[in-house]
Amino acid sequence: KNQVEQSPQSLIILEGKNCTLQCNYTVSPFSNLRWYKQDTGRGPVSLTIMTFSENTKSNGRYTATLDADTKQSSLHITASQLSDSASYICVVTPGGGSNYKLTFGKGTLLTVNP
Amino acid sequence: ETGVTQTPRHLVMGMTNKKSLKCEQHLGHNAMYWYKQSAKKPLELMFVYSLEERVENNSVPSRFSPECPNSSHLFLHLHTLQPEDSALYLCASSQGQVNEQFFGPGTRLTVL
Repeated sequence: KNQVEQSPQSLIILEGKNCTLQCNYTVSPFSNLRWYKQDTGRGPVSLTIMTFSENTKSNGRYTATLDADTKQSSLHITASQLSDSASYICVVTPGGGSNYKLTFGKGTLLTVNP
Repeated sequence: ETGVTQTPRHLVMGMTNKKSLKCEQHLGHNAMYWYKQSAKKPLELMFVYSLEERVENNSVPSRFSPECPNSSHLFLHLHTLQPEDSALYLCASSQGQVNEQFFGPGTRLTVL
């Protein structure tokens, strides 16, 4: 069964600090992995997308890594800001004919305090 | 309006009511999706429409009835819902089924 597990479930950090969120998946075949940011009361917004051959990708203060061999990904947030407070969801797109059947993690709820 | 919009943003209904959720995408996409997001659970895919044809009905109870009159609009008709149906209902769209899905803000539904 395709699954995405995220850790930690929640995280509280102080403004300006760095943090790393983890994602493990069992989706096979694999097409790509996205990290989404979901603000409270809003829909998810894509931060990064990584395909099988990519190891690292950055989007501003967000850096995602992917190890396709161990089926692990991480999202590193540098110099956190109050606006980073949100749920971060790891989403895996399967390969093959059912590309739209995304597998979502439960998300990591990040709180950045002043 | 840009992106994907959803109305209403909040809805409270009794178990005997009939209501509809509306989604509109302004991105020129040809695929639209309904998802259910419950607390502490992953997003669950409910329905998929591609080129206005339903391509997925993910074992959703018949009390949820989707409608896609054109490529820009998607509705979710609700009737005789249960309290466990209370959740955030998200609409998304994409260009083709393989590309990034763009989400709307969701409708927060509460069934009393």
